[in-house]
Amino acid sequence: NAGVTQTPKFQVLKTGQSMTLQCAQDMNHEYMSWYRQDPGMGLRLIHYSVGAGITDQGEVPNGYNVSRSTTEDFPLRLLSAAPSQTSVYFCASTPLAGLYEQYFGPGTRLTVT
Amino acid sequence: TQLLEQSPQFLSIQEGENLTVYCNSSSVFSSLQWYRQEPGEGPVLLVTVVTGGEVKKLKRLTFQFGDARKDSSLHITAAQPGDTGLYLCAAKRANFGNEKLTFGTGTRLTIIP
Repeated sequence: NAGVTQTPKFQVLKTGQSMTLQCAQDMNHEYMSWYRQDPGMGLRLIHYSVGAGITDQGEVPNGYNVSRSTTEDFPLRLLSAAPSQTSVYFCASTPLAGLYEQYFGPGTRLTVT
Repeated sequence: TQLLEQSPQFLSIQEGENLTVYCNSSSVFSSLQWYRQEPGEGPVLLVTVVTGGEVKKLKRLTFQFGDARKDSSLHITAAQPGDTGLYLCAAKRANFGNEKLTFGTGTRLTIIP
């Protein structure tokens, strides 16, 4: 199993540009989530999904959209990038049963200039 | 307001020394997890604790969940350079059925050879 994969690894955007961060998992996990990690802030939840066709907002959803058309994929869209969105983004997946153990991808480092 | 406070924020010690890092809150948690994150990678789960007073050992790492389930500690014996990384605690509050995991800000540990 590849686990959780994320692409790209690095990205530089100009203010106002749009892009999609890709996330895929091959563990058949129902629950997937997106976090951003900023210095001194820990990991903050952006959006999450409890299954295909179901998404909901997390702690910091503004400026981001998600969709979940399949169990495997959970892309994160930035519609109009802003410098405040410069961060490292992590996707995670979790089986709904059990003790909520999250499996993280390797992250995408995004810089918005 | 940060739900989970981790201390110290930074810790640098010599190889072979012992250390303890802390995760504290005023809230009661149903479960608490510890993750370790290495540079350029996503966090990796080390342990989950669910019972007040619970102690779990993972080789030289000892994890304890406070009796009141509001705090936790991680003790490392005879630290090695491979223990270097960012240690994150994450928890779900008790009696919040749909509450997601909240992460602390982390302790950045450096073990000097």
